[in-house]
Amino acid sequence: GAVVSQHPSRVICKSGTSVKIECRSLDFQATTMFWYRQFPKQSLMLMATSNEGSKATYEQGVEKDKFLINHASLTLSTLTVTSAHPEDSSFYICSAREGGGGEQYFGPGTRLTVT
Amino acid sequence: DAKTTQPPSMDCAEGRAANLPCNHSTISGNEYVYWYRQIHSQGPQYIIHGLKNNETNEMASLIITEDRKSSTLILPHATLRDTAVYYCIVRVVWSTDKLIFGTGTRLQVFP
Repeated sequence: GAVVSQHPSRVICKSGTSVKIECRSLDFQATTMFWYRQFPKQSLMLMATSNEGSKATYEQGVEKDKFLINHASLTLSTLTVTSAHPEDSSFYICSAREGGGGEQYFGPGTRLTVT
Repeated sequence: DAKTTQPPSMDCAEGRAANLPCNHSTISGNEYVYWYRQIHSQGPQYIIHGLKNNETNEMASLIITEDRKSSTLILPHATLRDTAVYYCIVRVVWSTDKLIFGTGTRLQVFP
C-alpha cells in the first residue's frame, strides 16, 4: 500500500514555543490530507482537512490560528502548533488521500510533549 | 458522529479466531464498510473493506449481513501482534467524505 511519513516522530518543546510537524506522501500524490489528534485512551479526532493549494477546513472547536496547516504541494502538508501549551500535548496523526476520493493512508504519528 | 457501534473490548486466545462485530444500521446503499486497526502508539492501519459481499485478504475476512446493517471482522488465527484497537467505519468510496473514527474495540490477544 501507499506510504505516508511524518516527521518528527517525537518532539518535546517548551511552553510558548511553536513546533512544526511534516506529513509526506512518499509514493503517490495526495490532493487531500487530514490531521487528527489523539489523547491517551481516546479515539482519533479529526482536526482539519487540507486540500493542496487552498486553505484548510477546520473542524468545529479547533482553533485555526493555533493549528496552522499548510498544504503547499501534492506530497507535503505541515501542521504548526503555535504557542504550544501543556494541554496541546498529544499524538498527532496525518493521513493522505489520493485524488478523486480514493483510499486514505495514515502516517505513523507524532508524539508532542509540551513542558 | 460515528455511524457505527462496536463493543468496547474483547479478549481472544492466541491461535483462535477473533470475531469483531460492528453495527451500522443506518448505512446507505453507496456506503462501504471499512476496518482499520491501531496498534499502540502507531497510526491506523487499513485492514479490509467491502460493500455487500464477503471479502477476504491476507489479513482478515469481512462478513457483511444480507441487510448490511452489521458486519463481522474475522482474524482467523489471532496472534499477540494483533492486540490493537479495531475501528469499523462506513464511508462512500470515491467521495470527499471524511473518515470519522468511533471508539472502536480494544482487542486483547492473550497467550
